[in-house]
Amino acid sequence: NAGVTQTPKFRVLKTGQSMTLLCAQDMNHEYMYWYRQDPGMGLRLIHYSVGEGTTAKGEVPDGYNVSRLKKQNFLLGLESAAPSQTSVYFCASSWGRSTEQFFGPGTRLTVL
Amino acid sequence: AQSVTQLDSHVSVSEGTPVLLRCNYSSSYSPSLFWYVQHPNKGLQLLLKYTSAATLVKGINGFEAEFKKSETSFHLTKPSAHMSDAAEYFCVVSDRGIGTGGGADGLTFGKGTHLIIQP
Repeated sequence: NAGVTQTPKFRVLKTGQSMTLLCAQDMNHEYMYWYRQDPGMGLRLIHYSVGEGTTAKGEVPDGYNVSRLKKQNFLLGLESAAPSQTSVYFCASSWGRSTEQFFGPGTRLTVL
Repeated sequence: AQSVTQLDSHVSVSEGTPVLLRCNYSSSYSPSLFWYVQHPNKGLQLLLKYTSAATLVKGINGFEAEFKKSETSFHLTKPSAHMSDAAEYFCVVSDRGIGTGGGADGLTFGKGTHLIIQP
């Protein structure tokens, strides 16, 4: 099992550009999450999904959109990137609410 | 509502000496608690979890944590530090009550403790 994988691993964008981060899991988990990690801030939840076709806002959703068209995939989109979105992004999945989450390796995004 | 406080942002110990990383939580219901470790430029890995069974929980790599309800604590310990333990550690609380989260609806992460191992 690959677990949770993320694509790409690194990306540099210019302000105003758009991009999509892909998360895939092969554990048949219902729940999937997108976090951002910034120095001194810990992990902050951006959006999450409780099943195929569902999405919900987390703590810091502004400037991001998500989609869960297939159970195994969870996409995070930035429509118009801003320097404040420079961060490391982690995807995670879990079989249920409030159970342990399994994390991907992260995507390091820099917005110039 | 739930919250978690990691009492030290940085902890430095010498190799071979004990490690103590402190975590306090608040929860309206019976919580689940987790410790995750993040090595540099890596994702988060589960170290151990407490889910209302034994209060002393053993995890990977010789780590353990004790759930103390009266003190609302879940401190992480290891008898003897190894250089490979140098990493960021996150304490996480899950309030298993219904509808207790704002937008988060699940786990609440502490801000992390950076563990430094001196040779």
